[in-house]
Amino acid sequence: DMKVTQMPRYLIKRMGENVLLECGQDMSHETMYWYRQDPGLGLQLIYISYDVDSNSEGDIPKGYRVSRKKREHFSLILDSAKTNQTSVYFCASSLFSGAGNTLYFGEGSRLIVV
Amino acid sequence: GDSVTQMQGQVTLSEDDFLFINCTYSTTWYPTLFWYVQYPGEGPQLLLKVTTANNKGISRGFEATYDKGTTSFHLQKASVQESDSAVYYCVLGDYVGDNSKLIWGLGTSLVVNP
Repeated sequence: DMKVTQMPRYLIKRMGENVLLECGQDMSHETMYWYRQDPGLGLQLIYISYDVDSNSEGDIPKGYRVSRKKREHFSLILDSAKTNQTSVYFCASSLFSGAGNTLYFGEGSRLIVV
Repeated sequence: GDSVTQMQGQVTLSEDDFLFINCTYSTTWYPTLFWYVQYPGEGPQLLLKVTTANNKGISRGFEATYDKGTTSFHLQKASVQESDSAVYYCVLGDYVGDNSKLIWGLGTSLVVNP
């Protein structure tokens, strides 16, 4: 079954705490992504991973880092969360990184930082 | 640089109405154009994509034509149903230097009343 799975789906953290969002895919896709979605701003790319240990910054990487040690798994880490990082985070994967590739998204992780 | 301009905000229709969502783009190359749909509580999913200029993409009753002359990729559906209520994103897939890049429109929320 072609699926992108995100954990946790909902998370409340205090400002300054660390946050770990995890993403897995079962399609052996080479490329994985982390986006955040905010009202009025659409989807913004945080990081893209081209393969294991091959990660690049997206449009809004500040305050985030990522880890990809296995092809099927991609983590987003917030060291010392801030209230402006309250958002819905989406992980996605695609077979390759070319411009014509289809992205497959997870169901999202809603993070609230208080 | 590349850009996508999409009708923003909310479109409210009744069942069996005609749907038209405007999307125009700007690029110096030949992009792939996508429409993604996001249902409530889910991640975006591909609705249709077109890789070649002047071709039409059709899926689930929706259609969009890649018009290079007017640089447009408007989404249409002849008769909407309540189940079509969702957010629709126009997306441009292009290359910036050696890397591919996806440019997302801000989304159009469609509400279909029974």
